[in-house]
Amino acid sequence: KQEVTQIPAALSVPEGENLVLNCSFTDSAIYNLQWFRQDPGKGLTSLLLIQSSQREQTSGRLNASLDKSSGRSTLYIAASQPGDSATYLCAVIISNFGNEKLTFGTGTRLTIIP
Amino acid sequence: DAGVTQSPTHLIKTRGQHVTLRCSPISGHKSVSWYQQVLGQGPQFIFQYYEKEERGRGNFPDRFSARQFPNYSSELNVNALLLGDSALYLCASSGTAYPYEQYFGPGTRLTVT
Repeated sequence: KQEVTQIPAALSVPEGENLVLNCSFTDSAIYNLQWFRQDPGKGLTSLLLIQSSQREQTSGRLNASLDKSSGRSTLYIAASQPGDSATYLCAVIISNFGNEKLTFGTGTRLTIIP
Repeated sequence: DAGVTQSPTHLIKTRGQHVTLRCSPISGHKSVSWYQQVLGQGPQFIFQYYEKEERGRGNFPDRFSARQFPNYSSELNVNALLLGDSALYLCASSGTAYPYEQYFGPGTRLTVT
């Protein structure tokens, strides 16, 4: 059974700092990994998707890496801003076309202090 | 283009009642999945439908059921509501090409009293 863990559960950093969020998974047979952002009481916004054949993806100030062999992914946020405050979730997918299922971690609640 | 839409936004029900939640996928997406997110937890997979067929089911009781219509919209039904069914219910759609990126709607907040 695939299990996804995110540590830490909560993180507070001053504005402007660079930070890293961690995600680990137990079964390395994944098709891809997605990082999401969730604002309180809202739905999920997809940030980055890393395919199993890729090592990293970048979008603006965000960079996500994937190491399947060790079962780890990191989300790097550069020059953090108060608007980055949210819960960040990672999810892995073991996909057989037409039968995709995301397995989520419990998230890291990030607070950026102005 | 419109994203994934869900209705209603909020819902309050009493124990024992039933509820129907609705989801419209992104235009062109044929796959719809449902997730339950209890406060403080990550979303848990409930169902996936593709071309009106159930392709996956999570560890949820038979009180939970779903269906997909010819226009690819979907309904999630929950019977005999329990207090523990209170959660944010999320719908996601994905396209037919790898890597099947999932796009989520805003969710329906269900409160059971």
